[in-house]
Amino acid sequence: NAGVMQNPRHLVRRRGQEARLRCSPMKGHSHVYWYRQLPEEGLKFMVYLQKENIIDESGMPKERFSAEFPKEGPSILRIQQVVRGDSAAYFCASSPIATSFYEQYFGPGTRLTVT
Amino acid sequence: AQKVTQAQTEISVVEKEDVTLDCVYETRDTTYYLFWYKQPPSGELVFLIRRNSFDEQNEISGRYSWNFQKSTSSFNFTITASQVVDSAVYFCALSETLNSGGSNYKLTFGKGTLLTVNP
Repeated sequence: NAGVMQNPRHLVRRRGQEARLRCSPMKGHSHVYWYRQLPEEGLKFMVYLQKENIIDESGMPKERFSAEFPKEGPSILRIQQVVRGDSAAYFCASSPIATSFYEQYFGPGTRLTVT
Repeated sequence: AQKVTQAQTEISVVEKEDVTLDCVYETRDTTYYLFWYKQPPSGELVFLIRRNSFDEQNEISGRYSWNFQKSTSSFNFTITASQVVDSAVYFCALSETLNSGGSNYKLTFGKGTLLTVNP
């Protein structure tokens, strides 16, 4: 049973470019969460999605960031016009149901570097 | 608002020493879950344990043990006879439950403790 998959593992973008981060949840999981880890910080919740729905995006910056989880395919976190402050590790997690009763299974993360 | 504090930013020990990582949390919920995750140098997050707030029994798993004290809002993690492979950043995390109207899917993480085990 494959775990949560994220790609790419490392992504380098110049300021002003777009970054697209992909997350494939574990088989049978329909709940996806994105977290951001800034250097030397803990993870911070960004957004929670179910298939075709954004449930909670309270942790997402208001501009330039968007997320989707289509009916088919992986969840995508999109960052437009990246700036140096977007450099971070972005982790995706999935769970079978939306409750902390189950641990969220984390992917290996995507390390975004903005030059 | 919830908060998780890991006061120890870095700890360095020599192999075979015991080491305790502290975690103190704040929540207004009566029901919540606490977690520990390990982040080795490779960067992925490895789940270690989940603990329900109603279950104050200490837990032991091999060289790992956890001490949950609701009275002091602490959930400390001890590694016995540490090994070099234990070197990692360890995160404590807290989630709410719907009973209090909170968002039970959001994990609030501490800033982590970097543990270095030297040979």
